[in-house]
Amino acid sequence: DAGVTQSPTHLIKTRGQQVTLRCSPKSGHDTVSWYQQALGQGPQFIFQYYEEEERQRGNFPDRFSGHQFPNYSSELNVNALLLGDSALYLCASSSLGRDGDTQYFGPGTRLTVL
Amino acid sequence: DAKTTQPPSMDCAEGRAANLPCNHSTISGNEYVYWYRQIHSQGPQYIIHGLKNNETNEMASLIITEDRKSSTLILPHATLRDTAVYYCIVRARQGGSEKLVFGKGTKLTVNP
Repeated sequence: DAGVTQSPTHLIKTRGQQVTLRCSPKSGHDTVSWYQQALGQGPQFIFQYYEEEERQRGNFPDRFSGHQFPNYSSELNVNALLLGDSALYLCASSSLGRDGDTQYFGPGTRLTVL
Repeated sequence: DAKTTQPPSMDCAEGRAANLPCNHSTISGNEYVYWYRQIHSQGPQYIIHGLKNNETNEMASLIITEDRKSSTLILPHATLRDTAVYYCIVRARQGGSEKLVFGKGTKLTVNP
């Protein structure tokens, strides 16, 4: 049973560029949540997708957007990158009907903005 | 803001039980207590969760006080691989939409 996977593992971008991060949920899960974790901090909630719609959003600017595909995989897009966007980006999947809605995390994508 | 309070750091000897406390005095009746841990630069790993009864699985035990205002995560025989940041989170489970709100967690160091 494959767990949550994310790609790429690491990414280096420059200020002003755009980036797309990808996430494949755990088998049987239909909900994907994205988190940002700055160095030395706990993860912060960005948004959650269910049935291809953004269901809940944290306190992040519109530069952060996402998408969920019919196969439940998801993308996180960040436009006009700032130095402060450097962080570990985490994807978590869950399903109310399976595992009791517990969120399971992927390994993360380390984004460095120069 | 996180609804839990945890000590910033703890030490434990290898082979001994590690008892990690968490205060959640404002927990609501429909909120569960979840524990995750994060080994350096990896994604958080789910450990266990509970509502009001004590819970045990292959990784740990969760003891929740009767008034539900605090809980303790117990790793019965800590190993060096248990060195990690442990996060205690309270979260409602309503239709699968509730986000996780992480605090700073407890940095557990298991010493040989």
